[in-house]
Amino acid sequence: DGGITQSPKYLFRKEGQNVTLSCEQNLNHDAMYWYRQDPGQGLRLIYYSQIVNDFQKGDIAEGYSVSREKKESFPLTVTSAQKNPTAFYLCASSSPTGLTHEQYFGPGTRLTVT
Amino acid sequence: AQSVAQPEDQVNVAEGNPLTVKCTYSVSGNPYLFWYVQYPNRGLQFLLKYITGDNLVKGSYGFEAEFNKSQTSFHLKKPSALVSDSALYFCAVRAHSGAGSYQLTFGKGTKLSVIP
Repeated sequence: DGGITQSPKYLFRKEGQNVTLSCEQNLNHDAMYWYRQDPGQGLRLIYYSQIVNDFQKGDIAEGYSVSREKKESFPLTVTSAQKNPTAFYLCASSSPTGLTHEQYFGPGTRLTVT
Repeated sequence: AQSVAQPEDQVNVAEGNPLTVKCTYSVSGNPYLFWYVQYPNRGLQFLLKYITGDNLVKGSYGFEAEFNKSQTSFHLKKPSALVSDSALYFCAVRAHSGAGSYQLTFGKGTKLSVIP
């Protein structure tokens, strides 16, 4: 988990509220990613960013938004449009953006929406 | 589209016995292949990767994996299992090039339980 921090570890929200999950890295990595993990479904890519001020949708971007204003930070907002937001959210980074490099993961944020 | 299959949801093995966690993949062209491990309520930790070259890849904590191009497989192995190896294991693939090459596609995970 070293080098990537996610906060908070546990987050509880009421349905209809937007919530922002924090992801910070001090690894000087160019690329950052957000994944969602549900039991028995593995990891699914929400958004990724290869450089500052640029990001692309992953497989399940609907109901989520991101920003990449700084190299170190890639916050994820779970909007009220996300129909089933309760999940474990993982942030990752890699550098350089070359395809041979593994991704490093943060410790995750468990979001519960009731 | 690229995909990964981990055919076993759970693998049980006795401590000291060899373990295998299976992974098959589908990708256009040559693959980059990865194994990660996840302990409860934690992020994923990188174990090993295959990029090119020797089909047998050695990684962290005594794990190794064998790339088999004809069978499109990348099974994770360890000669002697430890109770501390009990965790969730993920195989992942990305293509060398093309539209999906920046995306890492994960399997659904295999829960490994090592019995004392």
